[in-house]
Amino acid sequence: QKEVEQDPGPLSVPEGAIVSLNCTYSNSAFQYFMWYRQYSRKGPELLMYTYSSGNKEDGRFTAQVDKSSKYISLFIRDSQPSDSATYLCAMTTYNQGGKLIFGQGTELSVKP
Amino acid sequence: NAGVTQTPKFRILKIGQSMTLQCTQDMNHNYMYWYRQDPGMGLKLIYYSVGAGITDKGEVPNGYNVSRSTTEDFPLRLELAAPSQTSVYFCASHQGGNEKLFFGSGTQLSVL
Repeated sequence: QKEVEQDPGPLSVPEGAIVSLNCTYSNSAFQYFMWYRQYSRKGPELLMYTYSSGNKEDGRFTAQVDKSSKYISLFIRDSQPSDSATYLCAMTTYNQGGKLIFGQGTELSVKP
Repeated sequence: NAGVTQTPKFRILKIGQSMTLQCTQDMNHNYMYWYRQDPGMGLKLIYYSVGAGITDKGEVPNGYNVSRSTTEDFPLRLELAAPSQTSVYFCASHQGGNEKLFFGSGTQLSVL
């Protein structure tokens, strides 16, 4: 069993749709949860960062963490063609800094 | 600031050849990392460094070597290239703790 599981997609939605991206994990020691966005032929860039359980909102993006279910989600409201990218979940334990465990990434396409 | 800079962007190697992937950052970060990204597999940690003169293995270190003689530079060395090392390589850095990880734009390597 992989430590972090993410549906690779691809996922195609019309502009304006609500997008839900998810990851499950097996290591209960994970405390820091991140979502990275990666455009084609570019490096990942941090989109959302959450510590422990709960929700975090930033503009059209909402990250949710449910540690009891070992499940994290990223919601994108009013999706735009510019949101078309691969979204990677990542997580780590206390004091492990940049030693992240990544999901496989979900390829998202938002059609005008 | 340029951030994290990787060279070259693309490279084709023959089996058994050697090469060094260069990575430099201008943010005075102590922590630097090398990840590889294979299709549908997310990113996996190869090596990392917590400061000049200190390096350690990540999840997939076999076939690679690193050095960290300065804070700015963290080169990754492939001594005997193998087809299994065909991948996209990303260098990343951060200040410490659980601060944001900054990625370079990657080196796409093919070993034929």
